[in-house]
Amino acid sequence: GENVEQHPSTLSVQEGDSAVIKCTYSDSASNYFPWYKQELGKGPQLIIDIRSNVGEKKDQRIAVTLNKTAKHFSLHITETQPEDSAVYFCAAFWNDYKLSFGAGTTVTVRA
Amino acid sequence: DGGITQSPKYLFRKEGQNVTLSCEQNLNHDAMYWYRQDPGQGLRLIYYSQIVNDFQKGDIAEGYSVSREKKESFPLTVTSAQKNPTAFYLCASSIALGQGTDTQYFGPGTRLTVL
Repeated sequence: GENVEQHPSTLSVQEGDSAVIKCTYSDSASNYFPWYKQELGKGPQLIIDIRSNVGEKKDQRIAVTLNKTAKHFSLHITETQPEDSAVYFCAAFWNDYKLSFGAGTTVTVRA
Repeated sequence: DGGITQSPKYLFRKEGQNVTLSCEQNLNHDAMYWYRQDPGQGLRLIYYSQIVNDFQKGDIAEGYSVSREKKESFPLTVTSAQKNPTAFYLCASSIALGQGTDTQYFGPGTRLTVL
């Protein structure tokens, strides 16, 4: 099955700096890679996603890059703000129905 | 106001009891899912349903059961056979299964605690 590894597990950044989270996946057939943000006690919220026919996607301060050859994808948050503090999950979609999730990255933005 | 609702938000259960978690969506999505989340871990798939009256086991289905009698509803029962049921349970839905319709949207979750 698909195995998704996510690094780092915790990330502390100064407000205004950038944050980068990296994920690797094992199944080359995976074709869809969403990122979710989860605040304490709430359900995950989709923040950005990318499909395998695209190398990069950007939405305001958030961007995702995908390297299919190396089987890794990354989330980039620029100009971080206190409200960006949360747990972020990457996921890979495979086998036509299944999302495999990384273990999560706890991001803390220091004011 | 479209979305996914889960109830209750918090649920306490005594050992040996079955409990049912509610999940309702008004997004007109065909596919629905149940995940379990434990501290410091990613989400693990319990069951999923592609369409009404159909559902399939995920990775950790033992000790759980589901039904899908209506398109908008996908309740999860945690049975007494589930050895370690204390966790945060998340329901999700997508337009359908398969590429292009696979974006999953999550509800707010139910935190189940076994006393």
